[in-house]
Amino acid sequence: AQSVTQPDIHITVSEGASLELRCNYSYGATPYLFWYVQSPGQGLQLLLKYFSGDTLVQGIKGFEAEFKRSQSSFNLRKPSVHWSDAAEYFCAVGARQAGTALIFGKGTTLSVSS
Amino acid sequence: GAVVSQHPSRVICKSGTSVKIECRSLDFQATTMFWYRQFPKQSLMLMATSNEGSKATYEQGVEKDKFLINHASLTLSTLTVTSAHPEDSSFYICSARFSGGAGNEQFFGPGTRLTVL
Repeated sequence: AQSVTQPDIHITVSEGASLELRCNYSYGATPYLFWYVQSPGQGLQLLLKYFSGDTLVQGIKGFEAEFKRSQSSFNLRKPSVHWSDAAEYFCAVGARQAGTALIFGKGTTLSVSS
Repeated sequence: GAVVSQHPSRVICKSGTSVKIECRSLDFQATTMFWYRQFPKQSLMLMATSNEGSKATYEQGVEKDKFLINHASLTLSTLTVTSAHPEDSSFYICSARFSGGAGNEQFFGPGTRLTVL
């Protein structure tokens, strides 16, 4: 079955500290991989995506993610968290063929302490 | 570029009424749009896939007669919640696939908060 697992429901990080949000997927083929961020009451903003090529992907707001095929993982990282990064983060996978919907993880809530 | 809008952003209605939500791709053509539903503190659940000019494909458990989807043009899809009830209160988000884009990249609208009294 196709699925996305985000093991951490809630993470609290001190401002300035590094961050890693975990994402594991189960998919029949090599998927497209995405990370989205959602602020309360808002829609989704794409942070970064992986389609092919370099497995270390750079995104907006200083985020990066690394695709590890052997571990079926696509973890999101940021070296220094800012208070404005507090939000809900969703990992998603999608098929390579067009016209198919994304499968989302349950999300990780990030809180940033001062 | 690649902006998706939704209207309205927030709607409150009485139980039994119908509500229409619009999803527009503002600067690109979208042959496929998706409708998701998100309950508080939960993830997005796909409701249906909408293809321009054809009937929508609904996910298991989603009532097609209750959630009417129309995708009449390459830039507009509508979701009508018919005879809404309080349990239909949720955050509805659409996404659109850029027809000329690489792979399966989708762009999301800002969402519509539906509250049924």
